[in-house]
Amino acid sequence: AQSVTQLDSQVPVFEEAPVELRCNYSSSVSVYLFWYVQYPNQGLQLLLKYLSGSTLVKGINGFEAEFNKSQTSFHLRKPSVHISDTAEYFCAVSDGGGFQKLVFGTGTRLLVSP
Amino acid sequence: GAGVSQSPRYKVAKRGQDVALRCDPISGHVSLFWYQQALGQGPEFLTYFQNEAQLDKSGLPSDRFFAERPEGSVSTLKIQRTQQEDSAVYLCASSLATGDGYEQYFGPGTRLTVT
Repeated sequence: AQSVTQLDSQVPVFEEAPVELRCNYSSSVSVYLFWYVQYPNQGLQLLLKYLSGSTLVKGINGFEAEFNKSQTSFHLRKPSVHISDTAEYFCAVSDGGGFQKLVFGTGTRLLVSP
Repeated sequence: GAGVSQSPRYKVAKRGQDVALRCDPISGHVSLFWYQQALGQGPEFLTYFQNEAQLDKSGLPSDRFFAERPEGSVSTLKIQRTQQEDSAVYLCASSLATGDGYEQYFGPGTRLTVT
């Protein structure tokens, strides 16, 4: 069975500082990896996804993530955060078994302060 | 165009009541998913439809949960005899087609509180 671990429940950071949100997964098959952002009282929005090809994936709002198969990781990074990046971030995995059923981590709350 | 909409946005039910949660997917989207998000947790898969066919209901926690999508568009998640552990946000998502690479678009969710 697939699982996703987000070790950091909360990450505080100052505005314009870099940030990394960690995600590790376990799966016995090839996986597809996703990062979603959830703003208060809103649904999840896709930030980026890895299906195949280049292991460095660029997404919206200046975020990027790197797929590392040997370390089973897919960490999310941004070189300079804004106050508006304050939100909950979820890493998710799919085994691509036909209809992209997603397994989510428990989420990381990014708190950006001035 | 409009995104995925869900109604009601908030629902308070007394323990033992039945509830029905509605999802309007993006027009033309073939795939529809329901997820349950407990407080402080990530969403958990409940069930999946391809058009009107329910192809996977492995995530439904008990036989009190029932979902349908009779015309391949609007979907309803019904919970019978609600229990306190059913309190959660119920998220609906739709995607244009089946398979990898098709983004799931999420609605704002319905927050169910069972008292």
